[in-house]
Amino acid sequence: KNQVEQSPQSLIILEGKNCTLQCNYTVSPFSNLRWYKQDTGRGPVSLTIMTFSENTKSNGRYTATLDADTKQSSLHITASQLSDSASYICVVRDPSGSARQLTFGSGTQLTVLP
Amino acid sequence: DAGITQSPRYKITETGRQVTLMCHQTWSHSYMFWYRQDLGHGLRLIYYSAAADITDKGEVPDGYVVSRSKTENFPLTLESATRSQTSVYFCASTPRSSYNEQFFGPGTRLTVL
Repeated sequence: KNQVEQSPQSLIILEGKNCTLQCNYTVSPFSNLRWYKQDTGRGPVSLTIMTFSENTKSNGRYTATLDADTKQSSLHITASQLSDSASYICVVRDPSGSARQLTFGSGTQLTVLP
Repeated sequence: DAGITQSPRYKITETGRQVTLMCHQTWSHSYMFWYRQDLGHGLRLIYYSAAADITDKGEVPDGYVVSRSKTENFPLTLESATRSQTSVYFCASTPRSSYNEQFFGPGTRLTVL
């Protein structure tokens, strides 16, 4: 069964600091890997998407990296802000084209303190 | 308003009752999805629809029924609610290709007593 494991489960950092969230997956082959941000009480919103041929993608202070050989991705947040407090979810799609074939991680809960 | 909306946002019901959660999107997206989100689990797909009158099961369909008579609406019905169906339910939609980004609604928090 395809799995997506995220670490840490939760993380607390001070405003202005950097942090890195990890995502390991077993989906193989895979089509793309997407990071979502989910604010408390809201639905997830896409931050970045990478295909297997990409190894870095940035969106403002968010930078995602991908190592398809080791099946690992990371999301790096630079100069954190209070508004970065959220759950970050890694999602991997296999290439079957079926709408079923998304595997979601359980997320990393990030808290940014002033 | 444009976007994807869900109603109600919060619902408390009792075991055995029928409950319907509504989902409406204004983009005319072909695909719509229902997920549940529980602590310690990733989002799990309940049902999805590729177009009006076309629906298919996801990972955890038992105890749920869906319909899609209009492109913009995708209601989810719990025919006889159980405590294990206490969860946060998210509806999502995406344009024609299922590879595209999914756009999620704000969620419905359902409690079954």
